[in-house]
Amino acid sequence: KAGVTQTPRYLIKTRGQQVTLSCSPISGHRSVSWYQQTPGQGLQFLFEYFSETQRNKGNFPGRFSGRQFSNSRSEMNVSTLELGDSALYLCASSLVGRAYNEQFFGPGTRLTVL
Amino acid sequence: SQQGEEDPQALSIQEGENATMNCSYKTSINNLQWYRQNSGRGLVHLILIRSNEREKHSGRLRVTLDTSKKSSSLLITASRAADTASYFCATDAGDSNYQLIWGAGTKLIIKP
Repeated sequence: KAGVTQTPRYLIKTRGQQVTLSCSPISGHRSVSWYQQTPGQGLQFLFEYFSETQRNKGNFPGRFSGRQFSNSRSEMNVSTLELGDSALYLCASSLVGRAYNEQFFGPGTRLTVL
Repeated sequence: SQQGEEDPQALSIQEGENATMNCSYKTSINNLQWYRQNSGRGLVHLILIRSNEREKHSGRLRVTLDTSKKSSSLLITASRAADTASYFCATDAGDSNYQLIWGAGTKLIIKP
């Protein structure tokens, strides 16, 4: 079974631009979660989608948004990029998305904002 | 916000020795998970322990959970160079079952 894939793997943007990251979960997994990882803040939960519905959202500004498609693929968008948005963005999939389930992570997208 | 705090922040040991990492958390939990992250394989799930369990084993890994102290420990026995990685504990958010809250991680270096 193919693992979680994320595209692109690396991205360089400038302040004020917007960016869209993509995540394809493991086949059969209906839940996709997004995390931001930085050296200073560690892993921070962004949001979780299940069957195209956002079930939970972390403490991030409205510039961070996401969506999930009927095939469970998910995208996250960051508008009006700031230098502090530079981070590794990780996507995780699981069967039902409950926090008592194992989550399978993709390799991440490394976003650099200049 | 971070729920778990790992201790130590960094650990360097000789190959073959045992490595112990600790995690403390703040609120009541339903379960606690340990993950490993290295540059080669990304973030990988190691083991999950439920709040009604006290100890769990998986190969060379042993995890304990003390809910009265709100703490967990991960023991890696007979360490190998391939165990070099950062180790994170993650818990459910108490009132939310849809997200994991992560500790800051322990960076483990195994010296040959």
